Amino acid sequence: GQLVESGGGVVQPGGSLRLSCAASGFTFRYYGMDWVRQAPGKGLEWVAFIHSDGQNQVYVDSVKGRFSISRDNSKDTLYLEMNSLRVEDTAVYYCAKEVSGDFAFDLWGHGTMVTVSS
Amino acid sequence: EIVMTQSPATLSVSPGERVSLSCRASQSVSSDLAWYQQKPGQAPRLLIYGASTRATGLPARFSGSGSGTGFTLTISSLQSEDFAVYYCQQYNNWPYTFGQGTKLEIK
Repeated sequence: GQLVESGGGVVQPGGSLRLSCAASGFTFRYYGMDWVRQAPGKGLEWVAFIHSDGQNQVYVDSVKGRFSISRDNSKDTLYLEMNSLRVEDTAVYYCAKEVSGDFAFDLWGHGTMVTVSS
Repeated sequence: EIVMTQSPATLSVSPGERVSLSCRASQSVSSDLAWYQQKPGQAPRLLIYGASTRATGLPARFSGSGSGTGFTLTISSLQSEDFAVYYCQQYNNWPYTFGQGTKLEIK
């Protein structure tokens, strides 16, 4: 399988971005999916989860009300809508697929960089 | 939020040595614990999930153990490609949380 993120870039504080993650090589609609981020030189931070059917989403507190995770199972694509961006949201954003029957992440994309700066 | 603490932060070891990395949870996570390896400029790679199940294709020199609040990743004989940063992650409760990482460097 493969995951390919896109949509990163440079944005001013308060701005918006929409990240996409295109999946291939596995049956996308069967799996829960997540976004994980990594600030420059820092560790990993889980950001959001979406159930395989798209009906349940969970977020880390720091992005609640600002970020929205969604998916289109007909297009094998995961999304992260990011609004009211802050400097501290600057990071590489990875999409990740969950293990069948478990919740660890067995497939990761290469990541897309989001820089929030004035 | 469950806090994951890894120790040590950095470990200097020689190829061929056996090494054990520690991960502690601030409360029980049962066996809902994964280990990842990350090399510079790369995405993380799943090594272990369910505290002790090796990911597909992972060499047998990697093993995981523990449950509840204490976990260990052991590499039986370090190879040159194993020098990297290792993260543990709990997925027992949201928000999922990662440890701060242990960097394995060549001695």
